[in-house]
Amino acid sequence: SQTIHQWPATLVQPVGSPLSLECTVEGTSNPNLYWYRQAAGRGLQLLFYSVGIGQISSEVPQNLSASRPQDRQFILSSKKLLLSDSGFYLCAWSLNSKGYGYTFGSGTRLTVV
Amino acid sequence: GNSVTQMEGPVTLSEEAFLTINCTYTATGYPSLFWYVQYPGEGLQLLLKATKADDKGSNKGFEATYRKETTSFHLEKGSVQVSDSAVYFCALKRSGGGADGLTFGKGTHLIIQP
Repeated sequence: SQTIHQWPATLVQPVGSPLSLECTVEGTSNPNLYWYRQAAGRGLQLLFYSVGIGQISSEVPQNLSASRPQDRQFILSSKKLLLSDSGFYLCAWSLNSKGYGYTFGSGTRLTVV
Repeated sequence: GNSVTQMEGPVTLSEEAFLTINCTYTATGYPSLFWYVQYPGEGLQLLLKATKADDKGSNKGFEATYRKETTSFHLEKGSVQVSDSAVYFCALKRSGGGADGLTFGKGTHLIIQP
């Protein structure tokens, strides 16, 4: 069966420190991969998506970057965290473009202090 | 651009009460519409969907009808249970396909009291 792993579940990082969140998918090949963020009082915002290895599309300019070094691995990074990077980060995957194949990970709660 | 507006919570109801969570959207063409649910400590799960006007999505006693004329997709349940306590997200996928993701509302925190 297809599963998605996302870690860590919670993370507290100081301002200016680097960030690396990892997401891996099992049981499928060539998925579309997504990073979403939910900041306090805001909806889920699409940050990045990827349709293949090395292919990254950014939806909003920000202090974050994404990489896809392997087919089923999607990494969210930052060189220097800002307070405004705090939020709930969700990884998701889908196999089609119509929307109803999305599977979400359990999320990472990031608090920048 | 596309956007989704839903009532913000928390919404607190007693068990067996009738539930409505309003959702309206702005989008060109004919987007697909979704409701996702997030139970405490878990990721988002698809609750129901509708892909064209007048479609009704239903699952676990929840229903929502795609209303093109009012650009709405309100979520309803006739009799809620304590286990329905969760955060509910309305979302849309733009028409025309593509790998770009969903546009979500801010989520509605639903609390059901016994």
